[in-house]
Amino acid sequence: AQSVTQPDIHITVSEGASLELRCNYSYGATPYLFWYVQSPGQGLQLLLKYFSGDTLVQGIKGFEAEFKRSQSSFNLRKPSVHWSDAAEYFCAVGARGQNFVFGPGTRLSVLP
Amino acid sequence: GAGVSQTPSNKVTEKGKYVELRCDPISGHTALYWYRQSLGQGPEFLIYFQGTGAADDSGLPNDRFFAVRPEGSVSTLKIQRTERGDSAVYLCASSLSSSTDTQYFGPGTRLTVL
Repeated sequence: AQSVTQPDIHITVSEGASLELRCNYSYGATPYLFWYVQSPGQGLQLLLKYFSGDTLVQGIKGFEAEFKRSQSSFNLRKPSVHWSDAAEYFCAVGARGQNFVFGPGTRLSVLP
Repeated sequence: GAGVSQTPSNKVTEKGKYVELRCDPISGHTALYWYRQSLGQGPEFLIYFQGTGAADDSGLPNDRFFAVRPEGSVSTLKIQRTERGDSAVYLCASSLSSSTDTQYFGPGTRLTVL
């Protein structure tokens, strides 16, 4: 069965600093990978997704993620964090005909 | 265009009561999903509809939970004999066709069982 781990429950960074949120998955085949963001009182919003091809994926709001098959990872990065990026971030794995499995989430706090 | 909407936004009920949660997907989206999100957790899959039929209901925790989508658009999640452990945010999402298309989420219904 597929599973997703996000090792960091809570991360705090200063505004303008770089960010990396970790995601590791367990899946029998090549998965489809997603990052979603959830702001307080808001619905989940897709940041980016990987299906195949180039392993470095660009998303919205300046985010990118890199798929590393050898490490079963799909880490999310941003070179310079803005205060508005403070939110909960979820990694998810799926496949055609299979359901999404979400990780437990990483809460990002941004210091001014 | 309108996104996914869910009603009510909040629902407070007493243990043992019956509740219905409604989801209006994006127009034209044939796939619809229900998730449950407990505090501090990621969304947990409940059920997936393709059109009017449930393509996968393996995430429903027990037979107190049931969902319908009779006309292939609006869906209702029904919970019988509610328990305090059912308290959570219930999320609905829709996608254009397949389970790997981008899922667009609604704001959720916060269910509190007293």
